[in-house]
This record gives sequence, structure tokens and C-alpha cells, in this order.
Amino acid sequence: NAGVTQTPKFQVLKTGQSMTLQCAQDMNHEYMSWYRQDPGMGLRLIHYSVGAGITDQGEVPNGYNVSRSTTEDFPLRLLSAAPSQTSVYFCASSYGGADGSPLHFGNGTRLTVT
Amino acid sequence: DAKTTQPPSMDCAEGRAANLPCNHSTISGNEYVYWYRQIHSQGPQYIIHGLKNNETNEMASLIITEDRKSSTLILPHATLRDTAVYYCIVRVRISSGSARQLTFGSGTQLTVLP
Repeated sequence: NAGVTQTPKFQVLKTGQSMTLQCAQDMNHEYMSWYRQDPGMGLRLIHYSVGAGITDQGEVPNGYNVSRSTTEDFPLRLLSAAPSQTSVYFCASSYGGADGSPLHFGNGTRLTVT
Repeated sequence: DAKTTQPPSMDCAEGRAANLPCNHSTISGNEYVYWYRQIHSQGPQYIIHGLKNNETNEMASLIITEDRKSSTLILPHATLRDTAVYYCIVRVRISSGSARQLTFGSGTQLTVLP
């Protein structure tokens, strides 16, 4: 009963480096999304996907790329890390993007950019 | 967008019912009320959601007022493991496409006391 799995749990990057945060779900959910959580600011939507091959931008997409080649996986790529991207990143999934479909979250990736 | 208001903190004795209030006076007719909790820095955990009627599951009960302007989450027999930040959320539509962003406020820090 894995649910939503995120890797790695922790990561330290230098400014300008790139990396990919992994997210996988085993619940056959159509909808997947990435949030970042900063102190005092709640969770903000970065990118989301309503199915394989379909992605769209959320509230704070700059500096991040996503792709959705399979139903199970939704990786988040940081193209050139900046200190402002230091945050906790959460991946979430649900059966659909509409109301009435609760999101299930992973346990997060804690990213520090120096 | 509908906003929610919650008390910043509450205490509850172990074994007693914890009643967490939430105001969402600007909620629209087709928006659901969701409750999540976050323990330490883990991913938010879905608890329950509802539209108009009261709801109950194995974790909690959700009481929504008839005018839908407020709701109460009830943990019937609180345990020490229920100590967490509880978020009351209305899932709001964001400007890009049909995605509905979970807007997390600052939540209520519930402390269950032995």
C-alpha cells in the first residue's frame, strides 16, 4: 500500500545545478500535481497533470519543468537551481481534478539550494 | 476565491472529543470543504470532505452548517498521535484551466494532552 512515493527525501544543490524530483503513485490516479511549501505561505501549486501526456502550469511554474509519460510517474525538473527554490516539495494525486476527489500527498522532498 | 478562517491553536485532553471549527463564509455552491492534517513536516494527510451533508468516516466526522458558511471537524476520541496542524480548505479554481488548487491557510495546531 505505497500510495504516493517521492524521492529523494533530502537534497542539497548548488546554485545553477539541475535535478529531478521523482514522484510515483500506484493508485491509478489520473490527476497528479506538485506543490511547494514555504514557511508562512501554505502550499502553492507548481504544475499539474490530468493524465498521461497532458500537463499544465499552476501558480508558480517558473524554473520548473514536468512531463507525464505514464499514469504512474510525474517527475519535476529544476532546470537551474536558485536559492529561492529552497523549499519542501510535495507531490499529490487524485482520481480527477474536479471537486470531490481528495488529494493524496507524498511525504515530501526537502530541497536546499546554496 | 473562498477563504477559510481557523483558530491558530487548540488543546484537547486525550480520550475526549476534539472539535475544530472553520469559517468559510464566501464558499460557493459547488465547492467542497476538505480537511487535512500535517504531522511535523510530513505530507498533508486527507481526513474527510463534504459538500452539504454531514459526513463521517473512520477518522472523523464533518458537520457543515445549513448555510455552508462554517464547519466543524470532530475527532471523537483524540489520542496523542492526533497532535498535528489541521487545515480546513475549500478547493478553489485557479485561473489556468480546470485545476483546482488547494489553498492552505495557517491551520489550527491541535495539541492532545495526556
